Amino acid sequence: NAGVTQTPKFRVLKTGQSMTLLCAQDMNHEYMYWYRQDPGMGLRLIHYSVGEGTTAKGEVPDGYNVSRLKKQNFLLGLESAAPSQTSVYFCASSPDFLTSPGELFFGEGSRLTVL
Amino acid sequence: QQQVKQSPQSLIVQKGGISIINCAYENTAFDYFPWYQQFPGKGPALLIAIRPDVSEKKEGRFTISFNKSAKQFSLHIMDSQPGDSATYFCAARVETGANNLFFGTGTRLTVIP
Repeated sequence: NAGVTQTPKFRVLKTGQSMTLLCAQDMNHEYMYWYRQDPGMGLRLIHYSVGEGTTAKGEVPDGYNVSRLKKQNFLLGLESAAPSQTSVYFCASSPDFLTSPGELFFGEGSRLTVL
Repeated sequence: QQQVKQSPQSLIVQKGGISIINCAYENTAFDYFPWYQQFPGKGPALLIAIRPDVSEKKEGRFTISFNKSAKQFSLHIMDSQPGDSATYFCAARVETGANNLFFGTGTRLTVIP
């Protein structure tokens, strides 16, 4: 099983450019998440989804949009990239909050640099 | 504002020693407390987790101690090995039904032979 796959793994953008990060999971999980990881900040939740067609804001949603058109995919979009969005982005999935409480399955990350 | 405070930021332990990482929280709506382990270039992976009605949970060399009244919990790694060298994150789940986690800032553990 591939688990959670993120593409691309690396990307360099110029300020103002847009891009989309793609996350795909093959575990038939209901819940999906986008986190960003910054030095000294830990992981912070950007947006999440509790099922196909649903999305909700996390701790740091500003400047990002998401879509969950298919259960297995969760897209993270940056409409106008800013240097403050330079980070490592992690996608994660979870079956539900009862079956596996607190257990998220993470991808290997996407490193984004905004110049 | 960091909802889960973690210390120390980094830790160096001799092989065979005990590694201790501490976390504290304020939000009483947290209902589950997992620890994640992350190796360089990889995503975090669940290591061990505890519910707030349990004071201690042990899995192999890893033990979580939980003090509900003090709103503190800690990870103890017994007989630390070089292969345990990684970054460790404590986390807390909000009881909203979405399995959302708030993470601590991480502890980089180095176990020297």
